[in-house]
Order: sequence, then structure tokens, then C-alpha cells
Amino acid sequence: EDKVVQSPLSLVVHEGDTVTLNCSYEVTNFRSLLWYKQEKKAPTFLFMLTSSGIEKKSGRLSSILDKKELFSILNITATQTGDSAIYLCAVQNSGNTPLVFGKGTRLSVIA
Amino acid sequence: GAVVSQHPSWVICKSGTSVKIECRSLDFQATTMFWYRQFPKQSLMLMATSNEGSKATYEQGVEKDKFLINHASLTLSTLTVTSAHPEDSSFYICSANLQTGSNSPLHFGNGTRLTVT
Repeated sequence: EDKVVQSPLSLVVHEGDTVTLNCSYEVTNFRSLLWYKQEKKAPTFLFMLTSSGIEKKSGRLSSILDKKELFSILNITATQTGDSAIYLCAVQNSGNTPLVFGKGTRLSVIA
Repeated sequence: GAVVSQHPSWVICKSGTSVKIECRSLDFQATTMFWYRQFPKQSLMLMATSNEGSKATYEQGVEKDKFLINHASLTLSTLTVTSAHPEDSSFYICSANLQTGSNSPLHFGNGTRLTVT
């Protein structure tokens, strides 16, 4: 059975801190790993990773994938209160298949 | 801009009534759409895969007679929650790939928050 495990499940940090969110996976026919940010509504797309070792970066957020060890991390530097959200990791198998989601990491950034 | 449009954003209905949720792909054809459900403080759980022109594929534990899915065109899938009960109150989200078979991320609709009283 396909599985995506995120850790920690929740995290509270102060503004300016750097955080690292973890995602490990076991799937049958890996195609890509995706990170989403979810606030009050539907998830918004952050990154899609398909190759090992290539960092994707967007502002203060960055992510990298290790296909050998089957995990990915999402880094957020200089956190702000607006970063407070649930961060979802999902994996997609080959073909037009649905995403398998982890349980998410609830990040709270306090001033 | 949004590539997947979902309607309504929220709905309150009485127990026993049926509610229809629409999911449209904007400016692209989606032969496959996915319906997810999210309960408070939980992750997204796949309910079913909606296939244009054929029957939907339901995940284990999801009642197909209760959650009717119709994918009659390449841009529209609908989910009807029949005889809704308070335990059906949840956040329902649809999604679709921008390009079938390509390595593109799934895009989500804005979701529908259903409250059954």
C-alpha cells in the first residue's frame, strides 16, 4: 500500500526561525513528489520534485528530494506569521493517478 | 489564475437532502478528475476517481450510491451527496491534471465546505 509520512505533525516557531519539514514515502511506481500549502481553503501548489538532489527554490522556501532514501524536505527560512499553515506532502505514481497525501505538518509561526 | 473551478464554495443543507458539487476544468480538458474529502485537522483522503464517459472508481469505504459522480463532459465532473447526514459534513475538493499523462502538478478547486444540519 502506498504510504506518505510527514513529520513533525505540528510545529510552533518564532518569527525569523528556520524550519525543516520532512516527508518520507513508499509508493509502487514513483513519478513525482509535491508540496502544497493549505490555509483555510484548498491546497496551493508549492513545488514538484522528480529528480534527486536538485533543489527547488521559491523565495524563502526550498525543497529537495532524495529518491534513494525516499524522502524530501521542505525548508522555510526567516519564517513569518503568514507562513502559518498546514504543509502537505503528496506523491504521485506514474499514469494519470491521484496524489497520495501525508497527514500534513501544521506550522504555527508566532510573533 | 485558477485552472480548476469548484462550485459552490460552501453549502448548508438539512439532513436527508441531496447536494451537488460541480468541478470544472478551465481552458483544458480533463479526462480524469479526482475527488477528495478532508475532515477537520486531517489530511486529504481520496474518495473517487472520476472518468469522463465511464463509471467512477471509488476508494474502499466510500459508498458509490451515496456519493454519485458524473463526468459527462471533458470539463465537468459533479459529485452529488445523496441523503446527506451530519457525518457527511466535510470539506470536499476536486482536482485535475493540467495535461493528462504529463508530469504536471495536480491543480485543486477551491473546495466546498458542506455542513449538514
